[in-house]
Amino acid sequence: DAGVIQSPRHEVTEMGQEVTLRCKPISGHDSLFWYRQTMMRGLELLIYFNNNVPIDDSGMPEDRFSAKMPNASFSTLKIQPSEPRDSAVYFCASSLTGAATNEKLFFGSGTQLSVL
Amino acid sequence: GQQLNQSPQSMFIQEGEDVSMNCTSSSIFNTWLWYKQDPGEGPVLLIALYKAGELTSNGRLTAQFGITRKDSFLNISASIPSDVGIYFCAGPAGDDKIIFGKGTRLHILP
Repeated sequence: DAGVIQSPRHEVTEMGQEVTLRCKPISGHDSLFWYRQTMMRGLELLIYFNNNVPIDDSGMPEDRFSAKMPNASFSTLKIQPSEPRDSAVYFCASSLTGAATNEKLFFGSGTQLSVL
Repeated sequence: GQQLNQSPQSMFIQEGEDVSMNCTSSSIFNTWLWYKQDPGEGPVLLIALYKAGELTSNGRLTAQFGITRKDSFLNISASIPSDVGIYFCAGPAGDDKIIFGKGTRLHILP
């Protein structure tokens, strides 16, 4: 079975450029989560969706970050304009139902973002 | 907000040694989760705990749900090279969020 698929695996860009990260959740999963991982702050929840609807985006750092889930099989996380402090590993995860009822999150392999 | 504190931050051990790590919270959790992240990959769920005092094993791994519901422990017996990675505790916070500790990095010396 295919797991959560993220692309690209690595992204190197220059400050000020737009960056789009992509995620395909596991088929049949209702919830999708975007996390950011850094050495200093660990794994931070940025935003999560349930049935394609954003439920909580309080973790999104600022207006430069936006996320969409146009359908059940695709989500994007966009940073515009990107800054060096956005450099991190970005993970997408999905779960069968909401995290509170089914705690098993399945993570993708992440996108390593470097903003120069 | 709720936070999970893990200790130690990192460990350097010899192959074959047992490992112990823990996770504490300032507030009560009703579920404790332990994830492992291999280098270059996303975290994978190892063990889930649902009841205070519960002790659950998964192979060489054993985790316990503290009776105060504010802590949890993970033990690894007879460590092997593939145990290297970052171990995270996690738990549900609020409606549908899962929050993570900052992790314990396990290194195994040759």
